[in-house]
Amino acid sequence: AQSVTQLGSHVSVSEGALVLLRCNYSSSVPPYLFWYVQYPNQGLQLLLKYTTGATLVKGINGFEAEFKKSETSFHLTKPSAHMSDAAEYFCAVRSKSNFGNEKLTFGTGTRLTIIP
Amino acid sequence: DSGVTQTPKHLITATGQRVTLRCSPRSGDLSVYWYQQSLDQGLQFLIQYYNGEERAKGNILERFSAQQFPDLHSELNLSSLELGDSALYFCASSGTGGDRYTQYFGPGTRLTVL
Repeated sequence: AQSVTQLGSHVSVSEGALVLLRCNYSSSVPPYLFWYVQYPNQGLQLLLKYTTGATLVKGINGFEAEFKKSETSFHLTKPSAHMSDAAEYFCAVRSKSNFGNEKLTFGTGTRLTIIP
Repeated sequence: DSGVTQTPKHLITATGQRVTLRCSPRSGDLSVYWYQQSLDQGLQFLIQYYNGEERAKGNILERFSAQQFPDLHSELNLSSLELGDSALYFCASSGTGGDRYTQYFGPGTRLTVL
């Protein structure tokens, strides 16, 4: 069974500072990896994904993440935080097999607060 | 805008009642997924349909059921509602081809059971 661990349920950074949100997964085979963002009272928006190819992936709003197989990690970063980045961020994994294993398994989420 | 629509946006009902949540996937997407987001359980997969047929089941209660219609929209039926069913219910869809691994989420239906 797959699982996702997001270290830090709450992260606060100053505006302009580096954002680092941690995600580690547990899976017998490296899965597909996703980061979603949820703004207050809204749905889940895809930030970025890793399915194949380059392990450093870039997403929307200046975010990027790197898949590190040896560390079973997919940490999310942004060089300079903006007030509009305040939201809840979810890491998710999906099995590479199909036919009944396509569900997303989510981490518990990290609430990002930006300090002016 | 993901292209996935859900209605209604909010639903307030009483214990013991039955409600129906509706989802329209992105144009051309054959798979529809339902997820429940609650404070104590987080985001949990409920059920998946592919082109009208059930493909996978997750932590879905027996009081809950779903279906996908020929036009590919899906409905999630929740019956004998309990206070603990209060949650945000999301629908997601995924397509075929190169982007088939990605699920796009609707805005959700917030269910409040009083």
